[in-house]
Amino acid sequence: LAKTTQPISMDSYEGQEVNITCSHNNIATNDYITWYQQFPSQGPRFIIQGYKTKVTNEVASLFIPADRKSSTLSLPRVSLSDTAVYYCLVGGHTGFQKLVFGTGTRLLVSP
Amino acid sequence: GAVVSQHPSWVICKSGTSVKIECRSLDFQATTMFWYRQFPKQSLMLMATSNEGSKATYEQGVEKDKFLINHASLTLSTLTVTSAHPEDSSFYICSARTSGDLAKNIQYFGAGTRLSVL
Repeated sequence: LAKTTQPISMDSYEGQEVNITCSHNNIATNDYITWYQQFPSQGPRFIIQGYKTKVTNEVASLFIPADRKSSTLSLPRVSLSDTAVYYCLVGGHTGFQKLVFGTGTRLLVSP
Repeated sequence: GAVVSQHPSWVICKSGTSVKIECRSLDFQATTMFWYRQFPKQSLMLMATSNEGSKATYEQGVEKDKFLINHASLTLSTLTVTSAHPEDSSFYICSARTSGDLAKNIQYFGAGTRLSVL
């Protein structure tokens, strides 16, 4: 399982764009990159997933360079409700592969 | 779609009693369910992987006789904390994965159960 490294915490203000970068140097060929969001006392929520290049949905964008050794979650125009912990996970189809959560990035959005 | 319901959301029990937590996939069949534990300000720690109709696979250091897992159907898995003690107090979270999401390994999580053992 590829290990991930991301900043422990980040601060931002409402309306700003936030970019959280995750390092995964040992990513395997069949691994996908998945980001989850977790609010206090709640289960994680799937945000976005990608394999290469750029993926965008209604919530966020995920940028993946050609070497796939890192990825960047981009949250456009954050609001106070985006204050949460964001987890980057790497994994793929190898039977019943489990998810291994790292420390995550604690994002604090201030007024 | 892909909703996972977890019940109860909060439970307080006396030391020595057993507590059962249910995890249901409401709108899909979950071939695999996972159970996690999370302590305050820490990340999720996988406890066990549960496949429908077979015995759960426990992570190293997790006592299978203390944390009983049953995955009797494609929509229900239960975690029973037997003879609970204060050190078992934690936030327990389940997740489920469909066979269709196997290739991308997307899991859908329940809201969690906060267990407090007095």
